[in-house]
Amino acid sequence: DQQVKQNSPSLSVQEGRISILNCDYTNSMFDYFLWYKKYPAEGPTFLISISSIKDKNEDGRFTVFLNKSAKHLSLHIVPSQPGDSAVYFCAASLNRDDKIIFGKGTRLHILP
Amino acid sequence: DTAVSQTPKYLVTQMGNDKSIKCEQNLGHDTMYWYKQDSKKFLKIMFSYNNKELIINETVPNRFSPKSPDKAHLNLHINSLELGDSAVYFCASSQGLGVEHPWTGELFFGEGSRLTVL
Repeated sequence: DQQVKQNSPSLSVQEGRISILNCDYTNSMFDYFLWYKKYPAEGPTFLISISSIKDKNEDGRFTVFLNKSAKHLSLHIVPSQPGDSAVYFCAASLNRDDKIIFGKGTRLHILP
Repeated sequence: DTAVSQTPKYLVTQMGNDKSIKCEQNLGHDTMYWYKQDSKKFLKIMFSYNNKELIINETVPNRFSPKSPDKAHLNLHINSLELGDSAVYFCASSQGLGVEHPWTGELFFGEGSRLTVL
């Protein structure tokens, strides 16, 4: 029962270009969406979040877009840097008090 | 100065044994969690404690028992280990809810404890 789906297990992007990571969800009641980044042998670290009342949130090189009608969100990284190579997890929650449900992650490779 | 620390980092044991993983956070957070990342790479929540009180208990076998002696610690004890328990277990914490702490969904994770059951 995958409520949060990341259908691309991996993605390779040239340094300096835009990286676009995609995520789909099934539960229309989710009201909060998050992206986490994970390096090998480390725990995930919070990157950026967006409330369901918004369709865009930007933080430096990172922008998250939310399309509620399509139940889809994406993370844009521009420009991509070598240090962005990591696994990116999309996540969602029903409300502030509820558990955060994670996708399987997408491994991003930034090519020199 | 590590914010969320788990021990041990690696654990190899035989089926049927009992083992514990300890977690401590020095962030002053009210809520702590255990997540499991299995071979399929899903990060699934197992338990959540708020101020030592269990608030989330997912469908986890009774062999898994969390214990929170105080709000800075959340330990995970696993009885009668099975092969399927092999995974990476992540501890995490988050700030409690309140007007002075707008919820961002930010969890602070430990480095993970890789459990291998033989």
